[in-house]
Amino acid sequence: AAGVIQSPRHLIKEKRETATLKCYPIPRHDTVYWYQQGPGQDPQFLISFYEKMQSDKGSIPDRFSAQQFSDYHSELNMSSLELGDSALYFCASSLAGTGEGGYEKLFFGSGTQLSVL
Amino acid sequence: SQQGEEDPQALSIQEGENATMNCSYKTSINNLQWYRQNSGRGLVHLILIRSNEREKHSGRLRVTLDTSKKSSSLLITASRAADTASYFCATDEKTSGSRLTFGEGTQLTVNP
Repeated sequence: AAGVIQSPRHLIKEKRETATLKCYPIPRHDTVYWYQQGPGQDPQFLISFYEKMQSDKGSIPDRFSAQQFSDYHSELNMSSLELGDSALYFCASSLAGTGEGGYEKLFFGSGTQLSVL
Repeated sequence: SQQGEEDPQALSIQEGENATMNCSYKTSINNLQWYRQNSGRGLVHLILIRSNEREKHSGRLRVTLDTSKKSSSLLITASRAADTASYFCATDEKTSGSRLTFGEGTQLTVNP
């Protein structure tokens, strides 16, 4: 079965550079989530999209932006990168209303490891 | 973590033993889920328990939920070396829309 695809798998950038992370959700999933996980930390919610509209926003810095496109893939754009942005960035997808009792489970990609030097 | 804590932070056991991990949270929830993460990899959903449920089983997994204490436990029975991973609880808070909020995770090591 197709899973959530993230690219690139690894990314190395210099401070103040920009980065674009891509996420391809499971086919027919309509909701995409972005999470950031620092070393030894729990995943922190950044932002989510439902049917191409932003549905929820968490602790996403103003330097970051994201969108979901007509084919449901999503991109996380990160500008003016800082050392502290080094982390594993996960994308997850779900199909609204299909979980147990309507509660959804998320399917995660393998993540993009971003290293800012 | 914005939501709560997991206990213990690290657990090391022998194959065949049971492993119990605990999770506490702070707000009212719709459901609580447990995820597993192998080192540097994506999270894999294990089990979901709704706020009106107290216990749920799935294979070697047993999850309990005590909403009065805002806590949950995950029991893995007859552990295997392949169970070595980090385990996170995640809550779907009633006031936060569709996001999941993760706990700090327990690193489980099962020694062969």
